[in-house]
Amino acid sequence: QVVLTQSPAASASLGASVKLTCTLSSGHSSNAIGWYQQQPEKGPRFLMKINSDGSHIKGDGIPDRFSGSSSGAERYLTISSLQSEDEAEYYCQTWDTGGTGGVFGGGTKLTVL
Amino acid sequence: EVQLVESGGGLVQPGGSLRLSCAASGFTFSNYWMSWVRQAPGKGLEWVANIRQDASGEYYVDSVKGRFTISKDNAKNSLYLQMNSLRAEDTAVYHCARGLFYSNYDYYFDYWGQGTPVTVSS
Repeated sequence: QVVLTQSPAASASLGASVKLTCTLSSGHSSNAIGWYQQQPEKGPRFLMKINSDGSHIKGDGIPDRFSGSSSGAERYLTISSLQSEDEAEYYCQTWDTGGTGGVFGGGTKLTVL
Repeated sequence: EVQLVESGGGLVQPGGSLRLSCAASGFTFSNYWMSWVRQAPGKGLEWVANIRQDASGEYYVDSVKGRFTISKDNAKNSLYLQMNSLRAEDTAVYHCARGLFYSNYDYYFDYWGQGTPVTVSS
């Protein structure tokens, strides 16, 4: 069964950049993943899908400040020119080929200083 | 504009039942897989169930199999989740989400509703 590991928290200054990491468990490094943003008291928002080769497809209306990349079992979300509204929880998600279905990481709470 | 609006949540006793609804608009509902994803208080996201665009197939997380049933009415642009034999651990905000299907095992949730809260408690 695939497991997605995320750091619980990250922080960066207003206007700076931050790179969030989602790590796929052993044997699943070829999985594509999705990144989601959840602002307080709101439903999640789909940011992008990232393939194992680093190619990515963004969701509707996602600004260019958000980009994705990949290296081995790690999938990254980079947010540049941080704004206060980027302060949110960020989740990654994939699908388990073993049949257990959709799997989410534990989330990273991003604080914009 | 894609909109998903959930309703039907509330307080229910353990062992009870509840039916959630999700009204969809702004897209051709019959062309899309749909899903339910839940979030327990203070916790992360958990996928619950998917249904194919024509309702020909349903898929569930193990913890709800045999208790929950997902369905969709393409004529009414509506998604449902019938929840039976509810347990305390089913307490969560339940989100309706539109499916972004690339292939089996390559599936994402590209639009979400705000969610409807379900509390299972005596």
